[in-house]
Amino acid sequence: AQSVTQLGSHVSVSEGALVLLRCNYSSSVPPYLFWYVQYPNQGLQLLLKYTTGATLVKGINGFEAEFKKSETSFHLTKPSAHMSDAAEYFCAVSGASGGSYIPTFGRGTSLIVHP
Amino acid sequence: DTEVTQTPKHLVMGMTNKKSLKCEQHMGHRAMYWYKQKAKKPPELMFVYSYEKLSINESVPSRFSPECPNSSLLNLHLHALQPEDSALYLCASSRQTGTYEQYFGPGTRLTVT
Repeated sequence: AQSVTQLGSHVSVSEGALVLLRCNYSSSVPPYLFWYVQYPNQGLQLLLKYTTGATLVKGINGFEAEFKKSETSFHLTKPSAHMSDAAEYFCAVSGASGGSYIPTFGRGTSLIVHP
Repeated sequence: DTEVTQTPKHLVMGMTNKKSLKCEQHMGHRAMYWYKQKAKKPPELMFVYSYEKLSINESVPSRFSPECPNSSLLNLHLHALQPEDSALYLCASSRQTGTYEQYFGPGTRLTVT
């Protein structure tokens, strides 16, 4: 079984401030981890993914995430928030579940950016 | 081309209507998915097709009927829906089922009156 916990349904930052969105996962097999972003009235867009290898993953739009196996975490960060980063962010884990690989999404974190 | 297209963008239908949602991708992906998403919630998996065969049905009511005519197309046929079925319906594709990232379409905003 696998699961994802995103801490904080809302995160509010000022423009230019550090963005930190938290994601903890549970998986009985080595996980594949993803962060997706969803802008209003749009579909989800892949920001970055961790499969194997380097634990610090760089994605689009200046975002990056670090896979920490000991902490079962995959937190998303960006050094300086832009107004355009305001959106819903979903962490997802994909691993074997009953013989099938079905991605499991976290409940989402809404990022609010203040001028 | 990394685009998944969905039509229509918006759909309003009565509870006795029959309508269909369409999804298309030309990335050569062999896995395609339907999700339902309510406001401020994560996507809920409905169906998974792998190599044009239905591989997962997440106990979806029979008023939703998926169809995969070929490797590029995915349809969702709707009949006798309920108001609680109003939601954003998202289509996604991936290279195969498994640990591959998914590419999502923009969704169809469905309102059942």
